[in-house]
Amino acid sequence: QQPVQSPQAVILREGEDAVINCSSSKALYSVHWYRQKHGEAPVFLMILLKGGEQMRHEKISASFNEKKQQSSLYLTASQLSYSGTYFCGTAPRGGTSYGKLTFGQGTILTVHP
Amino acid sequence: EAGVAQSPRYKIIEKRQSVAFWCNPISGHATLYWYQQILGQGPKLLIQFQNNGVVDDSQLPKDRFSAERLKGVDSTLKIQPAKLEDSAVYLCASGLAVTGELFFGEGSRLTVL
Repeated sequence: QQPVQSPQAVILREGEDAVINCSSSKALYSVHWYRQKHGEAPVFLMILLKGGEQMRHEKISASFNEKKQQSSLYLTASQLSYSGTYFCGTAPRGGTSYGKLTFGQGTILTVHP
Repeated sequence: EAGVAQSPRYKIIEKRQSVAFWCNPISGHATLYWYQQILGQGPKLLIQFQNNGVVDDSQLPKDRFSAERLKGVDSTLKIQPAKLEDSAVYLCASGLAVTGELFFGEGSRLTVL
């Protein structure tokens, strides 16, 4: 089952903050976050594992709430380079399963000067 | 370090024709994935290889799609015959279990007329 992301789109001015949520109806083992710019390949941001720590990539951090089956991506002091579509992906447990991702529908983030 | 290479970047065909896409993963990455990304949606997993063996092809429409990874390196994805709904970007990704990170190629954009 596909995780659900919210909001579908966010428009920010440079320096503003944003939160993107990713919810699943199934128990989560890991949540993976990727950013895709228009016409480019998705790029890995971070992975959160069940029972693991909150992760950070530059000024982007993420949390994983196992009870709520939800992950949130926090973008602080946004930069123009943050613009793109953010996808969360969930993977089943298992050694080679880390890449068998079921992606959400994406959240389009636009940062204006 | 060279990234994941894919070709062709663009392909336009008519329905019922066939098409093949090629992927060369990052050297040393044993796991290779093919994803299908329809415009406006998140990538959807089609098939996973571990070395030259198929690990999971449960979401591959096997009546028209086929994939192989000879010698555990390069991979090809074939569609025959193509349908209008196959219009999408086909993304190849490789990764290492130790980090959980996937490296995506730039994709092959297919348009079926």
